[in-house]
Amino acid sequence: DSGVTQTPKHLITATGQRVTLRCSPRSGDLSVYWYQQSLDQGLQFLIQYYNGEERAKGNILERFSAQQFPDLHSELNLSSLELGDSALYFCASSVSPIPGPWAGELFFGEGSRLTVL
Amino acid sequence: GENVEQHPSTLSVQEGDSAVIKCTYSDSASNYFPWYKQELGKGPQLIIDIRSNVGEKKDQRIAVTLNKTAKHFSLHITETQPEDSAVYFCAASRGDMRFGAGTRLTVKP
Repeated sequence: DSGVTQTPKHLITATGQRVTLRCSPRSGDLSVYWYQQSLDQGLQFLIQYYNGEERAKGNILERFSAQQFPDLHSELNLSSLELGDSALYFCASSVSPIPGPWAGELFFGEGSRLTVL
Repeated sequence: GENVEQHPSTLSVQEGDSAVIKCTYSDSASNYFPWYKQELGKGPQLIIDIRSNVGEKKDQRIAVTLNKTAKHFSLHITETQPEDSAVYFCAASRGDMRFGAGTRLTVKP
């Protein structure tokens, strides 16, 4: 158990709909990352928050948005859903804003599997 | 931004053999190179990492090598076991972590 909690584990919805994925980081971790893993693809970096502020942005679509709340949990909002948005969405946390030699690893949750029909 | 390429995409070995997965990165400023293992239905988990000031690191049956000049790094697993079967991801970071596409390793008993 990594200590990172993601809900829901599975979600099935229709095209055009909006969903919210939730992540609770490990206790003490200030940094939250969101990644998208599509079938047969790697982990695509979406966005990172550190202590409530957006810190880095990756390949996140304009239909997607995220935020980190004062209690450090984070939500990823996906709207106007398309079939191609079906994927596994991972949240990861770390203590530092910058993963690196001094910061250690990212801890991943078990993911939220989104299916858009 | 950083671009990480990983090869091969699939790898099948016999139990007891060695497995090697290779990655290249584009950003010479990247200074941290972790490897993650993802088992079925689970999130990725760190198995080993290497900093840019180190050329090689070993942890039991797992080793990682880094060639900063060529911007290559590799994961070596010796004496593979069926429980090593998983998807392995390399990553490079100088701020935000970028992952390779993954290698599906199958170890046949």
